[in-house]
Amino acid sequence: DAKTTQPPSMDCAEGRAANLPCNHSTISGNEYVYWYRQIHSQGPQYIIHGLKNNETNEMASLIITEDRKSSTLILPHATLRDTAVYYCIVRVGGGTGTASKLTFGTGTRLQVTL
Amino acid sequence: NAGVMQNPRHLVRRRGQEARLRCSPMKGHSHVYWYRQLPEEGLKFMVYLQKENIIDESGMPKERFSAEFPKEGPSILRIQQVVRGDSAAYFCASSPLLGGSGTKNIQYFGAGTRLSVL
Repeated sequence: DAKTTQPPSMDCAEGRAANLPCNHSTISGNEYVYWYRQIHSQGPQYIIHGLKNNETNEMASLIITEDRKSSTLILPHATLRDTAVYYCIVRVGGGTGTASKLTFGTGTRLQVTL
Repeated sequence: NAGVMQNPRHLVRRRGQEARLRCSPMKGHSHVYWYRQLPEEGLKFMVYLQKENIIDESGMPKERFSAEFPKEGPSILRIQQVVRGDSAAYFCASSPLLGGSGTKNIQYFGAGTRLSVL
């Protein structure tokens, strides 16, 4: 799986958009970008994923650059409950064996403040 | 639809005892993954199982740790003769199946079991 690079921490004011960047310059053509978050001591929570098109769901939007070497997770209106560690993971979408595991890096610690 | 269920949520063991952690996947999911998170560290993959089969155990310590996912019942992560270094949060995840688009590979996590070894 491709290595990802994220800033270690970010701050965001409540109500504002939180934009979390991720670099994955060695991503392969069959690798997806997944985002998870871990709110303090809880189990990781799936947020969104994409291959090459921008994606949006009820939680967030995912913007993937045309060359797929980087992406941005957008939380449109951050709340205090969005304070968490956010992980960007690049992973092959299908197949069996070692392709199935998630490789978590150190993520970005997002602090949402009043 | 109930999520991934892990029990117990907290487990205290003395050195040398055995720890059994249970994981019931989401309904309809036949793939289970175990991850470990040591204090102040990131999550590390341990093992991936399908019903009655271990598919990838590349992250499992070579000794004292074992995992199973029987045809009936939950997946079990077993740690024999626990040591203080085994103290960690153990998370289980499940996914419906593999292949095809990335959607089918989404792993959903349980709340974890926090193991404390005295």
